[in-house]
Amino acid sequence: GQNIDQPTEMTATEGAIVQINCTYQTSGFNGLFWYQQHAGEAPTFLSYNVLDGLEEKGRFSSFLSRSKGYSYLLLKELQMKDSASYLCAALGTGFKTIFGAGTRLFVKA
Amino acid sequence: EADIYQTPRYLVIGTGKKITLECSQTMGHDKMYWYQQDPGMELHLIHYSYGVNSTEKGDLSSESTVSRIRTEHFPLTLESARPSHTSQYLCASGQEVLGNSPLHFGNGTRLTVT
Repeated sequence: GQNIDQPTEMTATEGAIVQINCTYQTSGFNGLFWYQQHAGEAPTFLSYNVLDGLEEKGRFSSFLSRSKGYSYLLLKELQMKDSASYLCAALGTGFKTIFGAGTRLFVKA
Repeated sequence: EADIYQTPRYLVIGTGKKITLECSQTMGHDKMYWYQQDPGMELHLIHYSYGVNSTEKGDLSSESTVSRIRTEHFPLTLESARPSHTSQYLCASGQEVLGNSPLHFGNGTRLTVT
């Protein structure tokens, strides 16, 4: 079957680093996305990985290991505005996107 | 910048009414999707389309239908709304063949059925 697992909630302190993990099982694999979703708003794209390794984009980095079905999103220099849900999404066969339930990140002062 | 538009933003209707949620995108994307999302919960795919005259049901059983007569337009219709349909409905679009093309989401329609 197809499944994506990520922690339900995480809390971190402003200025710190946080890593949000995601494991996935899909029929076929065409890439792994991370989206950010603030409460009451639509998801917005953060990063994409299709090859193993780390992709860095400013304060955000994303890592992929295809053999382990594993990805993580790394957020550095946390800011209060980073408080949001972070959705892991895998692109499977037929380019259908499967979403995880999201990890709610609370950034405290 | 809003290249994908959903209307209405909020809708409160009575049980048994027929409603259509509108979604339009100006990016020329072939792929369009409808997701249902309850507060704090995951997105569930209810319908998708790979192009004009192409529509498929998603993973979540839903008493709704969609049409794709034009590339830019992908409306969702509920023939007879029920309280269980109360949720947020998100429309999204993406490129057909580029795996690294992310989904672009509309701002959603928050539906309440009384």
